[in-house]
Amino acid sequence: EAQVTQNPRYLITVTGKKLTVTCSQNMNHEYMSWYRQDPGLGLRQIYYSMNVEVTDKGDVPEGYKVSRKEKRNFPLILESPSPNQTSLYFCASSPSTAGFNEQFFGPGTRLTVL
Amino acid sequence: KNQVEQSPQSLIILEGKNCTLQCNYTVSPFSNLRWYKQDTGRGPVSLTIMTFSENTKSNGRYTATLDADTKQSSLHITASQLSDSASYICVVSAKTNAGKSTFGDGTTLTVKP
Repeated sequence: EAQVTQNPRYLITVTGKKLTVTCSQNMNHEYMSWYRQDPGLGLRQIYYSMNVEVTDKGDVPEGYKVSRKEKRNFPLILESPSPNQTSLYFCASSPSTAGFNEQFFGPGTRLTVL
Repeated sequence: KNQVEQSPQSLIILEGKNCTLQCNYTVSPFSNLRWYKQDTGRGPVSLTIMTFSENTKSNGRYTATLDADTKQSSLHITASQLSDSASYICVVSAKTNAGKSTFGDGTTLTVKP
């Protein structure tokens, strides 16, 4: 089944403890992106990647890192999480390098930072 | 600054009725406009994608329209069903900003029996 998977789906952690949220797609898509969604703010783009080894900042990249060492995986790294990073995170992929086509979203990761 | 504004913020309708959601944008130069449906706690799912030259696009009971001159789009839902209860998100991309998309805050639709 063609899909975008994220792990973990739920995570409660403490301030300053490094964590990684994994994202994987099995559709051979070029483009991948991370978003966060907060109540009343809609989806905001964190980082995106148009190809392997190519990543770029979205609208809210502060406090996050990403890497794209292989096409299928695009992990989101929080080196020192803070409570303001408590949010619902979505990974998405798209067949076009610019993400202009339909984006396929993962199921989401609900992160709570205490 | 590129912006996407959706209205209304929320809407309640009775099952079987039609409704129209609005999206106004300032993104330029325009590349495409997408409508997504997002069920509570789940990832958005694509409904339609429209480029500059497309005025209307349908997906079952969902019909999106685009007026690139006035920078407005609408999503019309026909004969609503309880399963249409969700958030509907308008997303616009600019040609000059490959990789980035501007999301509206969404319209929350509730369909009541």
